[in-house]
Amino acid sequence: EAQVTQNPRYLITVTGKKLTVTCSQNMNHEYMSWYRQDPGLGLRQIYYSMNVEVTDKGDVPEGYKVSRKEKRNFPLILESPSPNQTSLYFCASSLMGRGNTEAFFGQGTRLTVV
Amino acid sequence: ILNVEQSPQSLHVQEGDSTNFTCSFPSSNFYALHWYRWETAKSPEALFVMTLNGDEKKKGRISATLNTKEGYSYLYIKGSQPEDSATYLCAFMGTGTASKLTFGTGTRLQVML
Repeated sequence: EAQVTQNPRYLITVTGKKLTVTCSQNMNHEYMSWYRQDPGLGLRQIYYSMNVEVTDKGDVPEGYKVSRKEKRNFPLILESPSPNQTSLYFCASSLMGRGNTEAFFGQGTRLTVV
Repeated sequence: ILNVEQSPQSLHVQEGDSTNFTCSFPSSNFYALHWYRWETAKSPEALFVMTLNGDEKKKGRISATLNTKEGYSYLYIKGSQPEDSATYLCAFMGTGTASKLTFGTGTRLQVML
């Protein structure tokens, strides 16, 4: 089954404690993204990757890091989380350069930073 | 940052009503327009991907139209059912943006019995 798997689904953490949210896809997609969803705002892109070892900032990258060492995995790293990073996070993947194909989303990670 | 707007923000309809929402996007550098359906506690799922001006797509009771020259797309739901309750997201992809999707804030639909 084609899918994007995110873990964990829910996470409560304290300010400053490093965390990683994992994302894995089994569709051999080149393009992967991380988004955050906040009330009243659309999904905003944090970082994206066009292929292995190729990553770039999206619209709201501050406070986040990513890596793409393997094609299937695209973890999101918060080195020192702060309360303003409390949000719902989605990972997504799609074929590169094919705007006529859909993006596939993970189940979401609801992060609370206290 | 591109401006993708959806209206209305939320909508309550009775079961059986037909309804429609609007997505406005930049009319220049158009590449594709996506519609996604997002149910609470689930992940967004694609409804339609539209690339040509004048495109019309249909999936069951849901259909969408696209006008790239004026920068808008309509999503129609005929005979709404409670299971249609969800947030409907549109996303714009421009040329030269490396597959980046810019999302609107969504239209939240509630279908009441």
